[in-house]
Amino acid sequence: KAGVTQTPRYLIKTRGQQVTLSCSPISGHRSVSWYQQTPGQGLQFLFEYFSETQRNKGNFPGRFSGRQFSNSRSEMNVSTLELGDSALYLCASRTGGVNEKLFFGSGTQLSVL
Amino acid sequence: GNSVTQMEGPVTLSEEAFLTINCTYTATGYPSLFWYVQYPGEGLQLLLKATKADDKGSNKGFEATYRKETTSFHLEKGSVQVSDSAVYFCALSPNTDKLIFGTGTRLQVFP
Repeated sequence: KAGVTQTPRYLIKTRGQQVTLSCSPISGHRSVSWYQQTPGQGLQFLFEYFSETQRNKGNFPGRFSGRQFSNSRSEMNVSTLELGDSALYLCASRTGGVNEKLFFGSGTQLSVL
Repeated sequence: GNSVTQMEGPVTLSEEAFLTINCTYTATGYPSLFWYVQYPGEGLQLLLKATKADDKGSNKGFEATYRKETTSFHLEKGSVQVSDSAVYFCALSPNTDKLIFGTGTRLQVFP
């Protein structure tokens, strides 16, 4: 069974641009969560989608948005990029229940110059 | 609010040494507690979990006991290997759909 797949693996953008990251969950998993990992702030929850609906949201500005498609694939978008958005963005999937095991992808490393 | 505090790293040990990584938490209600491990260049993998007080999670020689009275979930291993070198994250889930992570503790094991 394939794991959680995130694309691209690395991305370099400049301030003010926007970026879209993609996540394909494990087959059969309907929940997809996104986390931001930085050396200073650690791992912070961005949002979770379940069956195309946002189920939970972290404390990030509106520049961070996401969506989920009917095949459970998810995209995360960041608009008007800032230097502080440089981070490893991790996607995780699970079948859907609370406290179920999360399976993480290897992440997308975003660098904003 | 909910938060997790981990000991600062790096923790540097010789192979076969005893490992303890401290983790304490603050939470409302009765959260589930987790340890995740991140190897270089990879995402996080669940190492073990405990869902209620006095539960002991264990996997691959690692153990952690959910201590409600001390709000702790310390990770231990009796004999570490070089292959255990990684970053370890303590996390809690307050029965919602998100995980709240500690800042991570880097473990370096030398032969």
